[in-house]
Amino acid sequence: QLVLTQSPSASASLGDSVKLTCTLSSGHSNYAIAWHQQRPEKGPRYLMKSNSDGSHTKGDGIPDRFSASTSGAERYLTISSLQSEDEADYYCQTWGTGIVVFGGGTKVTVL
Amino acid sequence: DVRLLEFGGALVLPGESLRLSCVASGFTFSDYAMNWVRQALGKGLEWVAVISDGGGSTDYGESVKGRFTISRDNSKNTLYLQMNNLRAEDTATYYCAKNSYRGRSSSNFDSWGQGTLVAVSS
Repeated sequence: QLVLTQSPSASASLGDSVKLTCTLSSGHSNYAIAWHQQRPEKGPRYLMKSNSDGSHTKGDGIPDRFSASTSGAERYLTISSLQSEDEADYYCQTWGTGIVVFGGGTKVTVL
Repeated sequence: DVRLLEFGGALVLPGESLRLSCVASGFTFSDYAMNWVRQALGKGLEWVAVISDGGGSTDYGESVKGRFTISRDNSKNTLYLQMNNLRAEDTATYYCAKNSYRGRSSSNFDSWGQGTLVAVSS
């Protein structure tokens, strides 16, 4: 079964970095994922797609502070130079034939 | 710029029906598969349904199969979600979302609407 697992919360201080993890279920480590940001009271916003080979494709206007990386079944989103507007929920998404799956989301708090 | 605007959310009674619309602009609508995603208050995102670019192929999440129908009118750049036999657990904000890749039904999303709220309560 295709499942994405995310930690419920993460925090870091203003100006620091935070690294979020999205883990693909067993047997699905070669799947690409996408990261989406959802600020409070807003709709989601596409950040980037992250492939199993470590390559990634950013959405339009996404700052360089956001980057993606890969290790096996884990996909990472790193936010550098954390700003107040980065306080949001972050969801990973993957897909297969006739199915789309979201992780449970990680709430990022900027201290 | 891509723009997706949802309409049609309302307060309805359990068992009633509702149709949501999503009007698209800023891209060639007929080239892309489209999705509906919902989010209950304080909860995560749940994929609801996808429709292929031409409308000939659809897929649904398990919780809505047999009750919801996704459709599209490419001449009107509009996506629809017909929701029948609504339940309290269908209460959520419903978003439409565009697939990233032309012609593919399975893909990441690269654009989202602002959502429309559906509340099912007696």
